[in-house]
Amino acid sequence: AQSVSQHNHHVILSEAASLELGCNYSYGGTVNLFWYVQYPGQHLQLLLKYFSGDPLVKGIKGFEAEFIKSKFSFNLRKPSVQWSDTAEYFCAVNAPSGTYKYIFGTGTRLKVLA
Amino acid sequence: DAGVIQSPRHEVTEMGQEVTLRCKPISGHDYLFWYRQTMMRGLELLIYFNNNVPIDDSGMPEDRFSAKMPNASFSTLKIQPSEPRDSAVYFCASTHTAENTEAFFGQGTRLTVV
Repeated sequence: AQSVSQHNHHVILSEAASLELGCNYSYGGTVNLFWYVQYPGQHLQLLLKYFSGDPLVKGIKGFEAEFIKSKFSFNLRKPSVQWSDTAEYFCAVNAPSGTYKYIFGTGTRLKVLA
Repeated sequence: DAGVIQSPRHEVTEMGQEVTLRCKPISGHDYLFWYRQTMMRGLELLIYFNNNVPIDDSGMPEDRFSAKMPNASFSTLKIQPSEPRDSAVYFCASTHTAENTEAFFGQGTRLTVV
């Protein structure tokens, strides 16, 4: 069965600090990987996704993530965060040749101090 | 396309009452997912459909919960009878496997059972 672990539950950073949020998944087959963001009171929106090809994926708003297959990881990074990045971030995995359901991690709440 | 549409956006009901949440997926999408989001448990997959057929309902917490998808453009999640612990935000999402894309989320229904 698929599962996703996000190691950081709460992160507080000052503006301009660098960000890295950890995500590890458990699944033996081919996976699609996603990072979603949820701003306060809103629905989940896609930040970036990995299906195949270059393991370094660039998304919106300056975010990027790197798929390391050997470590079953898909960490999210941003070199310089802004106050507007305050939100909850979810990592998700989907098995395209399996059940195709999207399994989400428990989320990381990021607070950026101005 | 208007995206995934959920109704109502907010629902307040008394314990014991029946609650019905509605979802209209993006036209042409063949998968539909129902999630529940709470502070304690994060984002839980309740049930999902493929081509209107329920594939996995193992996440449905109790028999009080039921979901239907009578056609490709409409799904309901029903709770009968509702209990205070059902209070949460319920999200519907849809995707299209042939397009190899992400799940698109609706705005969610915030349910409060008093």
